[in-house]
Amino acid sequence: AQSVAQPEDQVNVAEGNPLTVKCTYSVSGNPYLFWYVQYPNRGLQFLLKYITGDNLVKGSYGFEAEFNKSQTSFHLKKPSALVSDSALYFCAVRPQTGANNLFFGTGTRLTVIP
Amino acid sequence: GAGVSQSPSNKVTEKGKDVELRCDPISGHTALYWYRQSLGQGLEFLIYFQGNSAPDKSGLPSDRFSAERTGGSVSTLTIQRTQQEDSAVYLCASSWGLAFRETQYFGPGTRLLVL
Repeated sequence: AQSVAQPEDQVNVAEGNPLTVKCTYSVSGNPYLFWYVQYPNRGLQFLLKYITGDNLVKGSYGFEAEFNKSQTSFHLKKPSALVSDSALYFCAVRPQTGANNLFFGTGTRLTVIP
Repeated sequence: GAGVSQSPSNKVTEKGKDVELRCDPISGHTALYWYRQSLGQGLEFLIYFQGNSAPDKSGLPSDRFSAERTGGSVSTLTIQRTQQEDSAVYLCASSWGLAFRETQYFGPGTRLLVL
C-alpha cells in the first residue's frame, strides 16, 4: 500500500533561518515524489517534484528537496525562511505503475516568525 | 495562462439535498482528478478521468457520489442526498497526458458545508 508520513503537524522557524519540512514515504517500486503548498482558502500550488536523476531537486521560491532512497525520505528545505513562506505544506507520492492518483501526507503547517 | 477553475467557491446546503460542483481544467490537459480535503484527514482521492477512457472511480466513498466529464474538458461532481460528513473542500486537478510523472495542477476548490 502507498502512504506518506509527515511526522510534524507544525514547524516554527525564525525568519532568515533554514527550514526543513520532513516527509517519508512507502510505495511499491520506484516513486514519483511531489511537494505542494497551500495558502489560506487557496488550492494546492506545485513546488517541486522528483522523477529521476539528481537526488537534489530545486523548485519554486527557493525551495529544494532531497530524495533519499535508503531512508525513503523526501524532505523539503530552504536555506533562509521568509515570513511569506508561512503556509500548509503537503508531500505526495505516486508509484510509477498502478494507482492513478497522488497519495498525500496530512500536511505540515509552517510558521515563520519575524 | 489560465489555471484550473472551480465553481462555486462556496456552497452551503441542507442535509438531503443534491449538489453539483464544477471543474474547468487547464486547456489541453487530458487528465482530470477530484480530491476531497477534510479537516484533519488530508487529501483523499475520489475519481480520475483520462481522455475517453472509462474513469477510475475507486476513490468514491459511496454511490451518492458520481462525476462526469463532458467533451473531455469540463467535469461535474454530483453528491446526492448530502450528509453532514460530506462537508469538506473539494479540489479538482488536471495534468497532461498519461504519464504518471506529470504534475497535477490544482484549482482553488469548492468549500461545501452541509447543515
